[in-house]
Amino acid sequence: DAGITQSPRHKVTETGTPVTLRCHQTENHRYMYWYRQDPGHGLRLIHYSYGVKDTDKGEVSDGYSVSRSKTEDFLLTLESATSSQTSVYFCAIQQGLGNQPQHFGDGTRLSIL
Amino acid sequence: KQEVTQIPAALSVPEGENLVLNCSFTDSAIYNLQWFRQDPGKGLTSLLLIQSSQREQTSGRLNASLDKSSGRSTLYIAASQPGDSATYLCAVRGAGSYQLTFGKGTKLSVIP
Repeated sequence: DAGITQSPRHKVTETGTPVTLRCHQTENHRYMYWYRQDPGHGLRLIHYSYGVKDTDKGEVSDGYSVSRSKTEDFLLTLESATSSQTSVYFCAIQQGLGNQPQHFGDGTRLSIL
Repeated sequence: KQEVTQIPAALSVPEGENLVLNCSFTDSAIYNLQWFRQDPGKGLTSLLLIQSSQREQTSGRLNASLDKSSGRSTLYIAASQPGDSATYLCAVRGAGSYQLTFGKGTKLSVIP
């Protein structure tokens, strides 16, 4: 299995609180991604990173920010959580942008009450 | 905007059957197509990746085909086993894009 660790695995919090999810990889892959998975929508890209300090927005980036200060860590922050951000969040890594697959972590189940 | 559709949403088959899962996409300008498996409460496991220039890829009992011009891919599973029960997801990467666009998946149940 690809060396990807997401933390926490489960979190329950209240509306308006800040939340940070962490993705840690041991593969030294350049590209990292954050997705959310919701019933009826499938997986959707939130943000991605193509190197240290290099990030860009995906399809559903509103309300989220990211940071990548070192190769192995990619953080997703909800500055002020809302109930619509209740979801399962997945991190993925990819070695290069050629025909190489993305590999996924086991996800973080986030509930915002 | 690329859209990816997987039909059926759920499929139940007896053990030992060969089966085909379908994936269609609206924009044929793709870089590659990837098939994943997702077990309940788990992340996605990459099964096969087909480059836009390829027609098929095989891994063990799995064979994925790609017809880019018609916007279709199939995942063929031979001699299905109960351990194959999972949700199968298809994802397309557009030409010149970082982004994967996912289908909503087909939930497969293989009955012993």
